[in-house]
Amino acid sequence: AQTVTQSQPEMSVQEAETVTLSCTYDTSESDYYLFWYKQPPSRQMILVIRQEAYKQQNATENRFSVNFQKAAKSFSLKISDSQLGDAAMYFCAYANFGNEKLTFGTGTRLTIIP
Amino acid sequence: DTEVTQTPKHLVMGMTNKKSLKCEQHMGHRAMYWYKQKAKKPPELMFVYSYEKLSINESVPSRFSPECPNSSLLNLHLHALQPEDSALYLCASSHYRDRGPPGNIQYFGAGTRLSVL
Repeated sequence: AQTVTQSQPEMSVQEAETVTLSCTYDTSESDYYLFWYKQPPSRQMILVIRQEAYKQQNATENRFSVNFQKAAKSFSLKISDSQLGDAAMYFCAYANFGNEKLTFGTGTRLTIIP
Repeated sequence: DTEVTQTPKHLVMGMTNKKSLKCEQHMGHRAMYWYKQKAKKPPELMFVYSYEKLSINESVPSRFSPECPNSSLLNLHLHALQPEDSALYLCASSHYRDRGPPGNIQYFGAGTRLSVL
């Protein structure tokens, strides 16, 4: 069974600074997807970024980028120019290719300091 | 439109009540999901419907009964719940695997906050 580990229960960053959230996972599969989801205090879970395991290039979405290290099974999220609206719980998640089931990490609560 | 709509937003029920949660999407997704989320915890998968058929049941107690009447609608019927069932119930939808990539991105609703007294 796949597992996802987020070792930082809480993180904080000054507004406009950069922060990196860590995620490691364990799998014996070669084809899979990794996701970062954001859940603000208003509760709705929103996809931040997605990485396909067969792609070596790291995914980016505006201020959000990932550092995907397949051999190390590491998938960290970097948030540049942090904004107050980035405050949320961030969940790292894994899915096998062709499988609907998402495995979530325990989450990292990110606080933005004005 | 990437919206998944859940109703009601809040629900309070007694242990003898019967109630239903509703979820709707119009993105053409053929996979729909129910999750349970306790405070400060990740969502826990309960059920998955693929093409309106139940494909995954994560050993959920029978007091939770899912239903998928059509490709846009997903219900969760609740009966004889326990106080420990109080949680945020999230619905999600995605394309099904035979659509290939984009890797089954799941779109979530805002949830129903359920309190069982």
